Amino acid sequence: EPEVTQTPSHQVTQMGQEVILRCVPISNHLYFYWYRQILGQKVEFLVSFYNNEISEKSEIFDDQFSVERPDGSNFTLKIRSTKLEDSAMYFCASSESVMSAFFGQGTRLTVV
Amino acid sequence: DQQVKQNSPSLSVQEGRISILNCDYTNSMFDYFLWYKKYPAEGPTFLISISSIKDKNEDGRFTVFLNKSAKHLSLHIVPSQPGDSAVYFCAASEGYDKVIFGPGTSLSVIP
Repeated sequence: EPEVTQTPSHQVTQMGQEVILRCVPISNHLYFYWYRQILGQKVEFLVSFYNNEISEKSEIFDDQFSVERPDGSNFTLKIRSTKLEDSAMYFCASSESVMSAFFGQGTRLTVV
Repeated sequence: DQQVKQNSPSLSVQEGRISILNCDYTNSMFDYFLWYKKYPAEGPTFLISISSIKDKNEDGRFTVFLNKSAKHLSLHIVPSQPGDSAVYFCAASEGYDKVIFGPGTSLSVIP
């Protein structure tokens, strides 16, 4: 069964460092998303990506964040200068339609 | 501003009985509604969805009901099984661009 894969599963980084979270969406999907879940809180939308550009982003997704689809298969989330409050589970998702987005297992980001 | 609300943070149900998870929303422009199940340390898994033009959708043990006038939807699981124990997220979308999640309801099915 096709699945969304995310790497790494756990990333520890120093505050102020750049991190790149990687995702391989399901191959025939056209819509890509990043979400995050801070421990004990709800799943929050960050950004959606379609046709090689951002189609929607939340207020969380500020200038420190960027997304790329560098090679037609990977979908990356970059955080330029990490803050302690960026510590969270980051979920990538992809979909053919909004009716059923498939999520990856997540990357746990710990900023120390 | 919570556009999608799940007012019960937790729910316990006996195995074999019906589980009813409720969700309310505020944005009348939402046109798709989805339910996701999430186990610890895993990503959300899509369960079932419903378009705003319908009032019911059924898939095996799972049925979602939508009451547009009340801006309310519910997920019914019949019969409940211990493997259904998880956090259930209600989600809603306006178009394709983003899905807004509720805070989740933790369901425990007691054997």
